[in-house]
Formats: sequence, C-alpha cells, structure tokens
Amino acid sequence: RKEVEQDPGPFNVPEGATVAFNCTYSNSASQSFFWYRQDCRKEPKLLMSVYSSGNEDGRFTAQLNRASQYISLLIRDSKLSDSATYLCVVNILTGGGNKLTFGTGTQLKVEL
Amino acid sequence: AAGVIQSPRHLIKEKRETATLKCYPIPRHDTVYWYQQGPGQDPQFLISFYEKMQSDKGSIPDRFSAQQFSDYHSELNMSSLELGDSALYFCASSYRDGTDTQYFGPGTRLTVL
Repeated sequence: RKEVEQDPGPFNVPEGATVAFNCTYSNSASQSFFWYRQDCRKEPKLLMSVYSSGNEDGRFTAQLNRASQYISLLIRDSKLSDSATYLCVVNILTGGGNKLTFGTGTQLKVEL
Repeated sequence: AAGVIQSPRHLIKEKRETATLKCYPIPRHDTVYWYQQGPGQDPQFLISFYEKMQSDKGSIPDRFSAQQFSDYHSELNMSSLELGDSALYFCASSYRDGTDTQYFGPGTRLTVL
C-alpha cells in the first residue's frame, strides 16, 4: 500500500464545473501537506500548501483532516488550463531533515 | 524570481556509461533534493543535502552518488547506466524555515540506449 493514495482518474469535466480530489496518507508523522500540479513532461509546480484550518486561493480550496489523515482539493469554475495531473504531497520529518512523498497523481481533463 | 536550474535538460547515454547531472538551487536555499520520475510514475525521492551534508537518503541505487558543493549547487553522478535508469530527474530546493517548501527545477530527461 502506498503511503499517499489518490484516485488516478482521469476526471473529465466540462469547463466551468466544480471538481474535487481526495487523498489519504498513512504516516501519522507527516508534518506538512501540499498540492502540486504537474503538466506532461514538466516539473511539479507548487499549487498550494494545505492547513488544518483550510485555505483558499482563488478558485482553489484545500482542506486537511489530520484525524482522518485525509486531504482534499476543490477546484471551482474549472478552466481548460486547469488540465494537468494534481499530486497530493506529504512532507515527513526524518532524522536528517524532511522528504516529500508523492501520491500517484490525479489526472484532470477540462473540456469545452 | 530566480528558479532552480538544472543542466543538461536532455541527456542520451549508452548502457554502462556514466552521467553527471547538475542542479543550482534558488539563491539562499540551503537544502537540495533529488527525485527520479519514471514514465507514468510519481517522483521518487533519491537523496537530499542540507548545508553541504547529506541529510537523507531514499531509493538511490549504489551506482549513484551525489554531493553538494560550497556554492550550494549539487551534482548527481550515475555510473554503469542501465536501461531502467531512463527517467526524468528533478532537483528541488528549499529553505529550512519550518515550512521547507520545495521548489522544483525543470528536470533532466535521461535516456539510456
């Protein structure tokens, strides 16, 4: 079982739709949480950090539930340019520092 | 704003050859990470350095080694290359400020023939 689990999709949605991605993690020592976006053959780009209080950045809202070890990302009014793979990422504090553990990613395709 | 720089962007090697990938972190970042991403897979953590010392080790093969230099740039050395080493290699950097948010470079695409 992977440490970070995501539904791989693809999620095919029409422009303007609202779409939600979920993610669960197994390591209770996880310290911080992120959503990264990755376009084909490009580097992962930080979309947003995720906090227990929930946080919003424009059309994007992220939530963290530490008790359930569950992270979510909501995209409202989706645009064609939102088409990408969304990676749920967990930062685990190790003896030497910290390391990121990635989910397998959820693919989103926004269509006309 | 300055980003992480990686070179080369593309590299083609034969089996059993060696390769060296370079990474220049964002200015003032003190930690560098290396990740390997195979086709259709998520990035896998290889190794990290904080203030020029190895800080953590992931699934890095013994054929690979890495170091961070006094100017904070890092190099990943890969020897006895195998076909399975063909992948995207990302470098990321962060500043140890509690959040340790990592920012990724554009990657080096390594193809082993």
